[in-house]
Amino acid sequence: QKEVEQNSGPLSVPEGAIASLNCTYSDRGSQSFFWYRQYSGKSPELIMFIYSNGDKEDGRFTAQLNKASQYVSLLIRDSQPSDSATYLCAVRGGFKTIFGAGTRLFVKA
Amino acid sequence: GAGVSQSPRYKVAKRGQDVALRCDPISGHVSLFWYQQALGQGPEFLTYFQNEAQLDKSGLPSDRFFAERPEGSVSTLKIQRTQQEDSAVYLCASSLAGTSGPTDTQYFGPGTRLTVL
Repeated sequence: QKEVEQNSGPLSVPEGAIASLNCTYSDRGSQSFFWYRQYSGKSPELIMFIYSNGDKEDGRFTAQLNKASQYVSLLIRDSQPSDSATYLCAVRGGFKTIFGAGTRLFVKA
Repeated sequence: GAGVSQSPRYKVAKRGQDVALRCDPISGHVSLFWYQQALGQGPEFLTYFQNEAQLDKSGLPSDRFFAERPEGSVSTLKIQRTQQEDSAVYLCASSLAGTSGPTDTQYFGPGTRLTVL
């Protein structure tokens, strides 16, 4: 079993819709959780992090964390074609960050 | 510098050759990480430095892989006797502090794409 699991997609949503990306992790000792966006041929860039149960909002992005269920999600409201990318879920325990394989998102204009 | 830089950006090696990949972190950043990203996969942790000390090298795939950061700034990842399975993008990231907290953001370089023929 992989330590961080994501649906590889592709997830296709129309412009203006809400995109919902999910991630589960296996290590209960994980302390902080990250969502990165990676455009094709580029390096990952941090969208947001969360470390407490509940929701955290930043602009059009909302991260949700449920440690009991070992589940993290990212909601993107008012999706734009420029949001089309691979979204990487990452989990940190100590200094080591473990990444999922990513979910490809396509936002159709 | 303005960001993390890596060189070369692209490297083609014949199987069995040795390669050296360089990472220049953001000036003043204490922590430096190396990752390997295969096509269609997420980055996989290789090793971590805090200043010049290599605190974790558990992700290095074999003893052919070696990393160093002798003066606590620039780092080099060396791969000896390259194999085809070493073909991947090698990403370097740095962060300001030497903590494991979530606010210690990792900034990624552009990566080096290694192709082993």
